[in-house]
Amino acid sequence: QQQVKQSPQSLIVQKGGIPIINCAYENTAFDYFPWYQQFPGKGPALLIAIRPDVSEKKEGRFTISFNKSAKQFSLHIMDSQPGDSATYFCAASWGSSNTGKLIFGQGTTLQVKP
Amino acid sequence: GAGVSQSPSNKVTEKGKDVELRCDPISGHTALYWYRQRLGQGLEFLIYFQGNSAPDKSGLPSDRFSAERTGESVSTLTIQRTQQEDSAVYLCASSLVGGNSGNTIYFGEGSWLTVV
Repeated sequence: QQQVKQSPQSLIVQKGGIPIINCAYENTAFDYFPWYQQFPGKGPALLIAIRPDVSEKKEGRFTISFNKSAKQFSLHIMDSQPGDSATYFCAASWGSSNTGKLIFGQGTTLQVKP
Repeated sequence: GAGVSQSPSNKVTEKGKDVELRCDPISGHTALYWYRQRLGQGLEFLIYFQGNSAPDKSGLPSDRFSAERTGESVSTLTIQRTQQEDSAVYLCASSLVGGNSGNTIYFGEGSWLTVV
């Protein structure tokens, strides 16, 4: 129940394309859903995050879509660039009774071809 | 420091040896986490420290794994009698406070452990 399932495992798009990465969860106690971006040899870095009280959040070229009833959320990267090539992780966390620790998906390796 | 600092960045050890991995969190961050990342996989939670509270050890995979933190400073993750399946990147992270969702968690670059 504490799992977060992420797909696809890998994704290749052309420059300017819109890659979409999907995540699904079961635990309805989750109330915070961040996306992390990780470049080779580096630690993950927070990209964008959403709470379940909104259905969409945009930051620059990155958008999270959230479907509370379906218990799914997704990351869209508009006008993707070769510099966006990285591994993306969705994650989830839950409220004050928890430590704030994140439960991560398995990751999606994105390649944006020039 | 400016970010979460981890050492060593790379460690090769022989099966059966003990290893210690060090983490220096962002100054002023009271919450500290350890995660493990196996090749091509997601991050597995290992342990969490918050100030002087009892740590959350629920993610430690066996009694060969232990961690300490002195106050709100440096933490050490120790793996005793290392096994080949312990080969992974060990990531340390910190946040300003813990105990709630929504606090941004900042990761270090990890310690790459290879057990041969």
